Amino acid sequence: GAVVSQHPSRVICKSGTSVKIECRSLDFQATTMFWYRQFPKQSLMLMATSNEGSKATYEQGVEKDKFLINHASLTLSTLTVTSAHPEDSSFYICSAPRSGGPETQYFGPGTRLLVL
Amino acid sequence: GQQVMQIPQYQHVQEGEDFTTYCNSSTTLSNIQWYKQRPGGHPVFLIQLVKSGEVKKQKRLTFQFGEAKKNSSLHITATQTTDVGTYFCTRNSGNTPLVFGKGTRLSVIA
Repeated sequence: GAVVSQHPSRVICKSGTSVKIECRSLDFQATTMFWYRQFPKQSLMLMATSNEGSKATYEQGVEKDKFLINHASLTLSTLTVTSAHPEDSSFYICSAPRSGGPETQYFGPGTRLLVL
Repeated sequence: GQQVMQIPQYQHVQEGEDFTTYCNSSTTLSNIQWYKQRPGGHPVFLIQLVKSGEVKKQKRLTFQFGEAKKNSSLHITATQTTDVGTYFCTRNSGNTPLVFGKGTRLSVIA
């Protein structure tokens, strides 16, 4: 079964609004989670590393004030796309590392964002 | 993170044909992982290879890690439409994020 969940799975919003995406580890604690973005027919690109209890680490070119990340607990990280624009339309996926097996990172099912 | 190069970028096959995708690194890899992403879906872990020359099979899928641990391959025998998707190889290094290349997008024509 799924070990990382994401909510919502799909969202359509108007330009200028903010959208919050949640990523939860279901049966394990994740002090670190990763946020990726994937445009159509392209690879997953790492946006940021979410750290529980401290500031997120953003990849070069990713605006931290636009993509707010909050890792408030050991099982929840949120990504808020502020003042979304059509160019922010993408597939957002989180992952969480987990020790104890060969599958060391678990991906959430993704959130498809469409900004009109 | 270290990125591995993958070829081909696209592959179209007739159902029943075999398919192979290759990953290459200029440096020795401690391990290699393979993921599959169906259209519209998220990456799903397939396997991890660690040992030099390792070969692992999962039904019609055969994974190989090169002797020098610089390359790897995924071979699918007698492709089916359910094999459609993008196959990624990447290197795992504990709590650091995975770095994905462009992957190989497989199309299967029925």
